[in-house]
Amino acid sequence: GAGVSQSPSNKVTEKGKDVELRCDPISGHTALYWYRQRLGQGLEFLIYFQGNSAPDKSGLPSDRFSAERTGESVSTLTIQRTQQEDSAVYLCASSLGTARYGYTFGSGTRLTVV
Amino acid sequence: AQTVTQSQPEMSVQEAETVTLSCTYDTSESDYYLFWYKQPPSRQMILVIRQEAYKQQNATENRFSVNFQKAAKSFSLKISDSQLGDAAMYFCAYRDRSGGGADGLTFGKGTHLIIQP
Repeated sequence: GAGVSQSPSNKVTEKGKDVELRCDPISGHTALYWYRQRLGQGLEFLIYFQGNSAPDKSGLPSDRFSAERTGESVSTLTIQRTQQEDSAVYLCASSLGTARYGYTFGSGTRLTVV
Repeated sequence: AQTVTQSQPEMSVQEAETVTLSCTYDTSESDYYLFWYKQPPSRQMILVIRQEAYKQQNATENRFSVNFQKAAKSFSLKISDSQLGDAAMYFCAYRDRSGGGADGLTFGKGTHLIIQP
């Protein structure tokens, strides 16, 4: 597609429920990144995919968080047994896979856990 | 680990004036990239300008320019002729050239830029 697409745009869920967030990167972008942005804060790196492999999962805050990617396409970030501290905007970005360029970001999913 | 510091949580400037946003970073690497991103209320992060550390010349994109001081590990953003549409959160970010480790961008906490009409 023309840009990075994320869905849903907003999600309200009850504490303890599982949620799945989706990211469609720009076609041809081999690298995909997930970030978390808490209210009034900068971006916190979660996970990085090169193709469908994730060489670095160090940013995932707990084992309740997991992510998958199908080929060099869609990625899903799953949060199990959501907690109130999971409330944040989750941003996805993709790039051609070389370090010299910045990333193209989606508009994010605002997750609210009540 | 690399860190990025933006010491100005909020800045305000009159329309058509010039404003400078500060950013410092800490790294043991000699080759890396630096970026400024703009985040309007729409939430989407928009790349404003980037700098390659091995280039001494400061990057410029229209009204946006940087003052890159490698020895001081400083990377400030200057916005000339400020416009109402420049109002947003601005984030400074760092990335190793090698792309090793996390291979992600390290962001500062951001500066909220307000444009006074």
